[in-house]
Amino acid sequence: DTGVSQDPRHKITKRGQNVTFRCDPISEHNRLYWYRQTLGQGPEFLTYFQNEAQLEKSRLLSDRFSAERPKGSFSTLEIQRTEQGDSAMYLCASSSVDTQYFGPGTRLTVL
Amino acid sequence: EDQVTQSPEALRLQEGESSSLNCSYTVSGLRGLFWYRQDPGKGPEFLFTLYSAGEEKEKERLKATLTKKESFLHITAPKPEDSATYLCAVQISRAGKSTFGDGTTLTVKP
Repeated sequence: DTGVSQDPRHKITKRGQNVTFRCDPISEHNRLYWYRQTLGQGPEFLTYFQNEAQLEKSRLLSDRFSAERPKGSFSTLEIQRTEQGDSAMYLCASSSVDTQYFGPGTRLTVL
Repeated sequence: EDQVTQSPEALRLQEGESSSLNCSYTVSGLRGLFWYRQDPGKGPEFLFTLYSAGEEKEKERLKATLTKKESFLHITAPKPEDSATYLCAVQISRAGKSTFGDGTTLTVKP
């Protein structure tokens, strides 16, 4: 068990650019979650997968955000046409039952 | 809509001074309540899962308890290394999304 990994750890981009983040879950976990966290707030749910199926997506998630989990292994989160309000920590978690284990996060800064 | 409220927002303790953090929740059917520790710039680290009122879990200086409306994280004789933000989260469906509170930032002074 090597834990949940995320790449990159930090990303600085200019407004209007597209960015993609990767998450590798704990190997035996079939559920994978994406959250966003801003300073002083708790993580906010974005979307989650069971195997390769995307089962729930937050109503707060705009059309600029898309997530995939091909073959039920790693997942990617893409943000198109980034805005300054997208600056946040993007967290990935995985689980086999109820308890979610988090990765170290990707810190996004949009200039 | 599910709501999770943590109090206080910030807590400063002297080393050895015991205290409790509160997590109150309003949900339509609790499946599980989770406590996490988060250090600055890092992802949340799992501490405890509680499923039913009256349940208690312990780990070193931490003990988590659950009632029908709230959970407490008791910290006994804290040390400076216990300084972190403690997050509470609830789940209403099995293996579904978690709804988080905004955390309590604990600072323990030597």
